[in-house]
Amino acid sequence: DTGVSQDPRHKITKRGQNVTFRCDPISEHNRLYWYRQTLGQGPEFLTYFQNEAQLEKSRLLSDRFSAERPKGSFSTLEIQRTEQGDSAMYLCASSPQAVHSQETQYFGPGTRLLVL
Amino acid sequence: DQQVKQNSPSLSVQEGRISILNCDYTNSMFDYFLWYKKYPAEGPTFLISISSIKDKNEDGRFTVFLNKSAKHLSLHIVPSQPGDSAVYFCAASAGAGNMLTFGGGTRLMVKP
Repeated sequence: DTGVSQDPRHKITKRGQNVTFRCDPISEHNRLYWYRQTLGQGPEFLTYFQNEAQLEKSRLLSDRFSAERPKGSFSTLEIQRTEQGDSAMYLCASSPQAVHSQETQYFGPGTRLLVL
Repeated sequence: DQQVKQNSPSLSVQEGRISILNCDYTNSMFDYFLWYKKYPAEGPTFLISISSIKDKNEDGRFTVFLNKSAKHLSLHIVPSQPGDSAVYFCAASAGAGNMLTFGGGTRLMVKP
């Protein structure tokens, strides 16, 4: 399967613990995005990488959140000192680099986080 | 302020009939629009997209219409099938490779 993969698919943690999620984009896609989706809402943008450079961060990404893409391939999203409000589906998407036209973002299956 | 809105939270359609899902946006900078389909516990699956230089794009049973003056787009599914039952999200971006802004979704139920 050459789609976007995410690990783990589910995570239950206690408030105050740190969690880390991994995303493996489609091979050769140099753009990688993180979104968060809460119940009954559409996905909301968190941050975006082009290769290893983090180019944009949403104001939703508080200082407890950090994302990396050290070698321009897989990415990790870490949440420190989790809060119950962090409970959500965390989605990763990737796209090839667009030059003259828009490129579609393809999503992974998501990591569902529950903070108790 | 919601820049992309789907005003119908749910839609029920008989199998074989047309499903029309609507989406409105407010940001004039949006130039690329997409529809995604989502099943529970899965990530969104890309369906169809349209650039702002077009007013219609068709792919099999799916057609997306864009009315830039009204800042409105719609997804038509003809004929609707029970397997189309899912939540549909419209999304928009301003510029190539930029973040997507999503609507709140419309739950489509296609009855056999």
